[in-house]
Amino acid sequence: DVKVTQSSRYLVKRTGEKVFLECVQDMDHENMFWYRQDPGLGLRLIYFSYDVKMKEKGDIPEGYSVSREKKERFSLILESASTNQTSMYLCASSLWTGELFFGEGSRLTVL
Amino acid sequence: AQRVTQPEKLLSVFKGAPVELKCNYSYSGSPELFWYVQYSRQRLQLLLRHISRESIKGFTADLNKGETSFHLKKPFAQEEDSAMYYCALSSVGAQKLVFGQGTRLTINP
Repeated sequence: DVKVTQSSRYLVKRTGEKVFLECVQDMDHENMFWYRQDPGLGLRLIYFSYDVKMKEKGDIPEGYSVSREKKERFSLILESASTNQTSMYLCASSLWTGELFFGEGSRLTVL
Repeated sequence: AQRVTQPEKLLSVFKGAPVELKCNYSYSGSPELFWYVQYSRQRLQLLLRHISRESIKGFTADLNKGETSFHLKKPFAQEEDSAMYYCALSSVGAQKLVFGQGTRLTINP
């Protein structure tokens, strides 16, 4: 059974802080993704990676960066958190396009 | 550009009634369409995809290229179908999915 684990379920940060969201998958998947989930907006892709050290911008990359130093780990970084980045962040992985396996989500509140 | 539209944010039906969740897409190429579901306090998971043509938990969805739609249907709703449903699209061979806004389905007893 594929397992995607997001290290933090709930975070509260202050404006301007640097935030790290960690995601680990245990099924040797090439592709990993970071989405944010907002009511009425659905899921929007922030960044994705199809290989170690490779990354591509999604639809809303502004204010975010990512790191993929190892195949199983994909980190999302908010260099300077802002209140409009308060959201639910979902990590996912896949072997091929279509069946994404999601983590439980990280709910970030920026005060 | 790829775009997925789910026109209903909320949908409420009675147990035993038919359910249809609407999904329309825009994409000039050959799309692959999916439905994902998120039950309360569970992670988002794949419900079905058009290429498999399977019926999962009694749900079916037919890709209508003429109307660019991929509506999700179930003839008799059950209370356990209450969840958030997302329609999603990818282009063939692409790595990423584009999701719709989601529809929250509530089945009333």
